[in-house]
Formats: sequence, C-alpha cells, structure tokens
Amino acid sequence: DGGITQSPKYLFRKEGQNVTLSCEQNLNHDAMYWYRQDPGQGLRLIYYSQIVNDFQKGDIAEGYSVSREKKESFPLTVTSAQKNPTAFYLCASSNVGSVSNSPLHFGNGTRLTVT
Amino acid sequence: DAKTTQPNSMESNEEEPVHLPCNHSTISGTDYIHWYRQLPSQGPEYVIHGLTSNVNNRMASLAIAEDRKSSTLILHRATLRDAAVYYCILRDGYSGGGADGLTFGKGTHLIIQP
Repeated sequence: DGGITQSPKYLFRKEGQNVTLSCEQNLNHDAMYWYRQDPGQGLRLIYYSQIVNDFQKGDIAEGYSVSREKKESFPLTVTSAQKNPTAFYLCASSNVGSVSNSPLHFGNGTRLTVT
Repeated sequence: DAKTTQPNSMESNEEEPVHLPCNHSTISGTDYIHWYRQLPSQGPEYVIHGLTSNVNNRMASLAIAEDRKSSTLILHRATLRDAAVYYCILRDGYSGGGADGLTFGKGTHLIIQP
C-alpha cells in the first residue's frame, strides 16, 4: 500500500543533542511538508519542499533543518538551537502542478521528548 | 493568506447528523476548501474538498455557500469513530502547490455521545 512512513514513533533525547526524524513516501508525490503540533494546538508548518534539492522555510523554521536529496525522503533535523523541541512532528506529502488542489497525505507522526 | 474560523468544540449524539461550520470570509477565487480530521495520536486524514459546488463522498458531504465565504462539513450519521478534531483549510489551486494556505488552525473538537 502507498503511504507515508515516519520513524520512530517515539523518540527521547537529551537537551543539547541534535536529532533527525525520518519521513519516507512511496506515493510519487513531488511536495513534502513538516509540521509541528503542540498539545491542544493546530499544526504549524516548519519546512516544505516542492521538488528534489529545493525547500523553503515555513512559519517556524528556526532551530530546524531539512534536506531533500531524494523524491521519497524528507528528513527533519531538530537542532540544539530549537528552544522547545518537545512536540508531535507530522510529515505530509501531496501532488503539485495541475493537481495542486490535491489532498495532503500525512504520516502517523513522531512524538519527540527532550529532557 | 486567507484564514478560516471554526468553533472550538461541538457535541452530537451517535447515529445523528453532524454539521460542522467553517467561515472563510477572505477566501480568494482560486482557493479550494479542504477538510481533514485527526484522531488522537495520529496524523490528520483527508475527508473532502471542493471549490464551488457541493461535494459528496463516502465519508461526508461538503456544502459551500453561494458566496463561498462559509462551508459546512456534514456527517450524515455520526458514529463513535467520528470523534476527532476536524480542520477546515484553504488551499490555493493557482499557485501550483507549495505551502500557500496550508495553515491548520485549532479545528473543531467533535464529541460523539453514545
């Protein structure tokens, strides 16, 4: 079945360490997105990429970095510069271009806890 | 960016219809109206979307006002599994994708009573 895989489901890190969250899709989608969700809140866009080797900052990119070396993969690194990294992180993908009204497909998220 | 406004929460009884409202008074002519829902500890899932005409699919119906400044997601017969947070977002159909309008507010927390 096609879909988006985020791993791991739960991740624990010590403060000051960088951590990379994985996101892989086999939907052949061009666009991929990273969102952050805090308890009781909506989703906030961190970074997005419409094509391989290109990505743009979203609303809350500070303290995060991404890469898009392959169409299927869009890993997110939470750096030590991110002041409040504990959150639920969601990856999504979609088609672009002539089907730009196409829906977003989400993974099931990674819950990151930094202590 | 055009924004949406939804009630924080709504309650309904099982097996009754549910009407979830969304206001988007600054919608542009090329914005599509998308609805997603999110179950606890899961990623959001797509429900339905439309531009001007009402839309139906196996999950729900979408009623769009004639002036497009509001819309209503209709669950015809709610079940306990429909208890979730429902998000109404606008997506620009002209910009070729990207992140235009992909802002998820807090959504509506739908509570279903047995």
